[in-house]
Amino acid sequence: DQQVKQNSPSLSVQEGRISILNCDYTNSMFDYFLWYKKYPAEGPTFLISISSIKDKNEDGRFTVFLNKSAKHLSLHIVPSQPGDSAVYFCAASPGTYKYIFGTGTRLKVLA
Amino acid sequence: DARVTQTPRHKVTEMGQEVTMRCQPILGHNTVFWYRQTMMQGLELLAYFRNRAPLDDSGMPKDRFSAEMPDATLATLKIQPSEPRDSAVYFCASGLALERETQYFGPGTRLLVL
Repeated sequence: DQQVKQNSPSLSVQEGRISILNCDYTNSMFDYFLWYKKYPAEGPTFLISISSIKDKNEDGRFTVFLNKSAKHLSLHIVPSQPGDSAVYFCAASPGTYKYIFGTGTRLKVLA
Repeated sequence: DARVTQTPRHKVTEMGQEVTMRCQPILGHNTVFWYRQTMMQGLELLAYFRNRAPLDDSGMPKDRFSAEMPDATLATLKIQPSEPRDSAVYFCASGLALERETQYFGPGTRLLVL
């Protein structure tokens, strides 16, 4: 039973355009959400987070949007760069140390 | 440049053999997580330690998996006996208990059980 779902296994975007990665969750107790980026042969690295009291958090080219009523969050990357090509994981926490991760979306930014 | 280290990076073994994976958390971190990454399930939490004490191992198959922290600089994950379905990438992460964002992941151990 996947509580955090990333329904798009892969996504290709042209360099300079917007990348939108989506994540859906089922547990209304989740109150903190994170995005991680993972390059091949490396561990995931933290990218950006959002608390359930907010609906948007921005950090440079990266913005995360949270729609609590739809139980949906998205990561926007603008403009996309070839170095952004990686696997992106979303993760959610119900207020504890435990994070539930999605299965990841592989982003490919085409030069 | 502080980082989490994991050994070995790759392991190929035969079914029934014991596998031991090691992790050195970042100095000063008081939490350690073990995750398993599979294509179908993504990243699954196997075990969680805080101040070297195991607080959660509900994600581990108890009959064959065990996790320990003999000291603050070493965490181990053992599988005995290993099975082909254990083939996956195993990640260790460390962090600080009071900071929700700080899970610093190691590079992982890629395990293949034949």
